[in-house]
Amino acid sequence: DADVTQTPRNRITKTGKRIMLECSQTKGHDRMYWYRQDPGLGLRLIYYSFDVKDINKGEISDGYSVSRQAQAKFSLSLESAIPNQTALYFCATSDSRQGSYNEQFFGPGTRLTVL
Amino acid sequence: AQTVTQSQPEMSVQEAETVTLSCTYDTSESDYYLFWYKQPPSRQMILVIRQEAYKQQNATENRFSVNFQKAAKSFSLKISDSQLGDAAMYFCAYRSAFYGQLTFGSGTQLTVLP
Repeated sequence: DADVTQTPRNRITKTGKRIMLECSQTKGHDRMYWYRQDPGLGLRLIYYSFDVKDINKGEISDGYSVSRQAQAKFSLSLESAIPNQTALYFCATSDSRQGSYNEQFFGPGTRLTVL
Repeated sequence: AQTVTQSQPEMSVQEAETVTLSCTYDTSESDYYLFWYKQPPSRQMILVIRQEAYKQQNATENRFSVNFQKAAKSFSLKISDSQLGDAAMYFCAYRSAFYGQLTFGSGTQLTVLP
């Protein structure tokens, strides 16, 4: 079944550590997104990529970087994690061939805790 | 920039009753999409219903329907015959017709009482 997967599902790390969250999809979609969810704030966009060579900053990109290794893979990195990056992180994909609608499909989320 | 506001952090409803969740948004665009997502305790984001701004008719999906008021920039979700499985966090979201990224509201936690 075509799907969006995220690894790891849960991660506890320490302040100052480098961490990478990975997203893979078998849907054949060209667009991928990283969102962060905090209580009371909803989901906010960190980065998005419309294809392998097109990466854009979202609303809250400071402290994060991304890599689009292939159409199917989009990784989010925290170079030096800090406690206020503790959150639930979602990857999402969409297909530009759907036209202006292009529904987003979400992965299961990664719960990250920075101590 | 677009903003989405959900003014009800928490709501509760009796099983089998009807509940309405509110959402307002701000945009200068004329062509866009609006969505309601459900997030159960499993934390998976599930699309409940969507509305195209150019359509005057309100969207309906089984027990879920919306009241879309474009001039008022209001997009409420009505859940009829509420079931225990409807208990979840509900997010309202906006997307421009020209850009892929979503702008979310802060969410409404819905409790269904047996």
